[in-house]
Amino acid sequence: SAVISQKPSRDICQRGTSLTIQCQVDSQVTMMFWYRQQPGQSLTLIATANQGSEATYESGFVIDKFPISRPNLTFSTLTVSNMSPEDSSIYLCSVTPGQGVEKTQYFGPGTRLLVL
Amino acid sequence: LAKTTQPISMDSYEGQEVNITCSHNNIATNDYITWYQQFPSQGPRFIIQGYKTKVTNEVASLFIPADRKSSTLSLPRVSLSDTAVYYCLLYSSASKIIFGSGTRLSIRP
Repeated sequence: SAVISQKPSRDICQRGTSLTIQCQVDSQVTMMFWYRQQPGQSLTLIATANQGSEATYESGFVIDKFPISRPNLTFSTLTVSNMSPEDSSIYLCSVTPGQGVEKTQYFGPGTRLLVL
Repeated sequence: LAKTTQPISMDSYEGQEVNITCSHNNIATNDYITWYQQFPSQGPRFIIQGYKTKVTNEVASLFIPADRKSSTLSLPRVSLSDTAVYYCLLYSSASKIIFGSGTRLSIRP
């Protein structure tokens, strides 16, 4: 398993500003993922972040809007840039510590973002 | 892309067995079926994972038929604390990660 922490746990931001969310894992992991969960909705994958390479973004998400860093095997950041009220959501990071074919994902507690 | 379909909501009573079925008609050969539980204001929590037949752990059982086009999460003797949203997820290193819509389970006294 893996223990994941996120900072901040919540924030209220003004439109047009940017917020960087941090994800810290208690062990080295190869794959880290960033999700968005809008109120009452399921999780949507934003991007996959592998250490030493550029993040892979899903359809509808672009690097300019959601730049991601992955400086080492225990840490990643997601920046929500030029925010608008539509970016109000919960942002979650997850990891897959397993090395086998099966990949169990463990999630952080999430960052609750409100954009005014 | 493999997609999952679940009932939007289910209701049950304490002490009952609850079965939540997930359909995944286009599951890929390398996909594993994983179920998560999510409480409000928390990240999803891993419950159980399987590839075929039956898997059981201390909290749930997972039944997967031979064609793997569906799976059923079975929660024995539920309690009020099992009220949550349950997600069915398919994942392998070769496929995209797709969360279903989730099933909102409500347990009543």
